[in-house]
Amino acid sequence: GAVVSQHPSWVICKSGTSVKIECRSLDFQATTMFWYRQFPKQSLMLMATSNEGSKATYEQGVEKDKFLINHASLTLSTLTVTSAHPEDSSFYICSATPGQGTGANVLTFGAGSRLTVL
Amino acid sequence: GENVEQHPSTLSVQEGDSAVIKCTYSDSASNYFPWYKQELGKRPQLIIDIRSNVGEKKDQRIAVTLNKTAKHFSLHITETQPEDSAVYFCAASWGGTYKYIFGTGTRLKVLA
Repeated sequence: GAVVSQHPSWVICKSGTSVKIECRSLDFQATTMFWYRQFPKQSLMLMATSNEGSKATYEQGVEKDKFLINHASLTLSTLTVTSAHPEDSSFYICSATPGQGTGANVLTFGAGSRLTVL
Repeated sequence: GENVEQHPSTLSVQEGDSAVIKCTYSDSASNYFPWYKQELGKRPQLIIDIRSNVGEKKDQRIAVTLNKTAKHFSLHITETQPEDSAVYFCAASWGGTYKYIFGTGTRLKVLA
């Protein structure tokens, strides 16, 4: 089945620094990937839709200059949290779908990245 | 925009009993409804899904029903086991966007 790899699984950084999280589709090409944020004991909140070769589409209330998304290839999307602050501490999860064939719109999630900003 | 409501937020059942989780959605254009199970600290895993042209789908102990008129869908788990304890999320998606909106989650505890 479809596999999505996400790295790093956890990261601790100082306030004001930037952190990059990578999301890779290992056995399929993903024209579109999605980035979610999850606070403890809460639901998955869609942050943005990452489109290969074009600008990401951000959800209302998500700062595009703070959460930079790059989707340079059909198998890789990155999320960079710029000038991180303690309130950015959260669990970030990426997801992807093959977009065609059997299970075209079935979303497969990465393992998530737990960010802690000191 | 699309909104998905999920109830209950927590659910405790005795082992062997059934569990039912309900979701409602707002956008009548939604046509795909997956259910995900998330264990503590792990990624959500798809457990069952249903498309708008089907009213019910079953996979062993898990079933999902969809009422398009009322815009709600439900997850049914029979003969619950301790390993069913987790957080369950419903979601709705529409058109060819593959964009999911998730419900708020239900924390299921199966008591041995």
